[in-house]
Amino acid sequence: DQQVKQNSPSLSVQEGRISILNCDYTNSMFDYFLWYKKYPAEGPTFLISISSIKDKNEDGRFTVFLNKSAKHLSLHIVPSQPGDSAVYFCAGRLQGAQKLVFGQGTRLTINP
Amino acid sequence: EAQVTQNPRYLITVTGKKLTVTCSQNMNHEYMSWYRQDPGLGLRQIYYSMNVEVTDKGDVPEGYKVSRKEKRNFPLILESPSPNQTSLYFCASRLELGSYEQYFGPGTRLTVT
Repeated sequence: DQQVKQNSPSLSVQEGRISILNCDYTNSMFDYFLWYKKYPAEGPTFLISISSIKDKNEDGRFTVFLNKSAKHLSLHIVPSQPGDSAVYFCAGRLQGAQKLVFGQGTRLTINP
Repeated sequence: EAQVTQNPRYLITVTGKKLTVTCSQNMNHEYMSWYRQDPGLGLRQIYYSMNVEVTDKGDVPEGYKVSRKEKRNFPLILESPSPNQTSLYFCASRLELGSYEQYFGPGTRLTVT
């Protein structure tokens, strides 16, 4: 049972435009959502988070939106840069168990 | 520098030959865990540890063992590896159970033939 789903395995965006990565979840017991970024041959690194009681969190070029009624979150990167090319994982933290549940990942490619 | 280290980074082995992947963190984190990453499946938790001598199963624990004798180290043991354990493995740590930001090691790519 995939509790966190990233339905797009890959996304290609032109440099300077907006990148939008999507994530859906099924479990209402997540209290935090996080985005991680992973470059080849490296471990994932934390990018940005959002509490389940918020609907938006912004950090520089990165903004995460949470739509609880739709059980959907998205990561917006504006403007996209070549260094943003990576695999992005979204994850939910299960309240109480404190366990992180990851999605399958989306490979983002920024084209010059 | 705060980091999580894993060794080896790459390993090719044969079915049934016991192996250990080491993991160490220098941030005095209480919580450590192991994940495997497989295409189309994302990161799945194998085992986790909330502190020294406290470990528990994650989502895919079959065929793996762990130990936590010291706070900084959390080795992953495959007693009798099989080809379906061919995967990319990540060790991770976070300050405590209630923290959400996790720090990952660089990964160990394991191939079992």
